[in-house]
Amino acid sequence: QVQLRESGPGLVKPSETLSLTCDVSGGSLSPNYWNWIRQPPGKGLEWVGYIYYSGSTNYNPSLQSRVTISLDTSKKQLSLRLRSVTAADTAVYFCARGVFRGLIEMDVWGKGTTVTVSS
Amino acid sequence: NLMLTQPHSVSESPGKTVTISCTRSSGTITSSFVHWYQQRPGSAPTTVIYDDNIRASGVPDRFSGSIDSSSNSASLTISGLVAEDEAEYYCQSSDSSTPVVFGGGTKLTVL
Repeated sequence: QVQLRESGPGLVKPSETLSLTCDVSGGSLSPNYWNWIRQPPGKGLEWVGYIYYSGSTNYNPSLQSRVTISLDTSKKQLSLRLRSVTAADTAVYFCARGVFRGLIEMDVWGKGTTVTVSS
Repeated sequence: NLMLTQPHSVSESPGKTVTISCTRSSGTITSSFVHWYQQRPGSAPTTVIYDDNIRASGVPDRFSGSIDSSSNSASLTISGLVAEDEAEYYCQSSDSSTPVVFGGGTKLTVL
């Protein structure tokens, strides 16, 4: 079955760019939505955005000015770039496959990767 | 912007029934489906209910979902509580501008 694995630096300096990747194995990229979701320590889930397998994107309005999500179909790899980070961006970052069931449902999740923003 | 409001925490004894609400701040609850996720500490969320009231594969029939138009809310009900139900539960829905919105989460404690 589909498995997702996030990777990237665990520590990012304030004002720099957070870059993460998510490797997709065991399944097809289509016809799904590929999402990034984050969870600050001790807090709830926050949707960051998605890229549809065809390449169209949709971002959380609160993060839209700083976020880019891309999909390398040849590598089956999802990427997240979040610019100008602050301590408020410290979180566990999950990638998740979204399937449309009348509403996008996150049916497969990675284990998550912790990112700390600190100098 | 759409907000989904959940109680911060609920608690109940084993064998009892608990209901977790998810109240929509704008638009009608029937304007979009609602999904429910369970998250145990240190793990990623998993789906328990999708499309308002459909149990995900492998989820026991003790879990059910419903919609109440009068209160503009969705609910997750868990009957016959067992210790392993103790977790954080999140609702998810959408509006015209944001396709994915999560509720703030509810911590369920099985006493």
